Amino acid sequence: EAGVVQSPRYKIIEKKQPVAFWCNPISGHNTLYWYLQNLGQGPELLIRYENEEAVDDSQLPKDRFSAERLKGVDSTLKIQPAELGDSAVYLCASSLGAGTPYEQYFGPGTRLTVT
Amino acid sequence: KQEVTQIPAALSVPEGENLVLNCSFTDSAIYNLQWFRQDPGKGLTSLLLIQSSQREQTSGRLNASLDKSSGRSTLYIAASQPGDSATYLCAANYTGANSKLTFGKGITLSVRP
Repeated sequence: EAGVVQSPRYKIIEKKQPVAFWCNPISGHNTLYWYLQNLGQGPELLIRYENEEAVDDSQLPKDRFSAERLKGVDSTLKIQPAELGDSAVYLCASSLGAGTPYEQYFGPGTRLTVT
Repeated sequence: KQEVTQIPAALSVPEGENLVLNCSFTDSAIYNLQWFRQDPGKGLTSLLLIQSSQREQTSGRLNASLDKSSGRSTLYIAASQPGDSATYLCAANYTGANSKLTFGKGITLSVRP
């Protein structure tokens, strides 16, 4: 079974430029998460989707970040414009559903460097 | 504030040693706790998930325990190997159906041959 797929794996951009990350969850997983991981820190949730609906986006900086999940499968996270402080690893995860029985499975992440 | 703490931040042990990684959480009303492994430059690999009603879970050389009353979870690694070298993170689900995980900063383990 294929795991969570993310692309690109690495991205270097100049500040004020836009950037987008793509995630394909494990087949059949209805719940999708985007996390931000700074160096030496644990991941922090940005947004959670149940199918195509964003049900928890309280941690997403909506002035510059946006996300979508088309048809309840793939998802895209966008930053426009990027700032130096956005340099981090962006992780996508998925689970069969939301709630306590379900493990979250993570992709390899996209490492963003903003110069 | 609901937090997760992992101390120490780094640990170095000789190969073959049995070791325990600690994880502390501030709110005993957790729904579950999950242990992950992260290799450098990679994503997180789920190791074990312990539900609040469970005391422990085992997978191969790994055993994770959960003590809600003391706010602690431990990950026991038996007969450590150099391939176990990685960062180990624990994450608590304080929100139940919302599935929001609160992560510790991780413990970077180095197993010396």
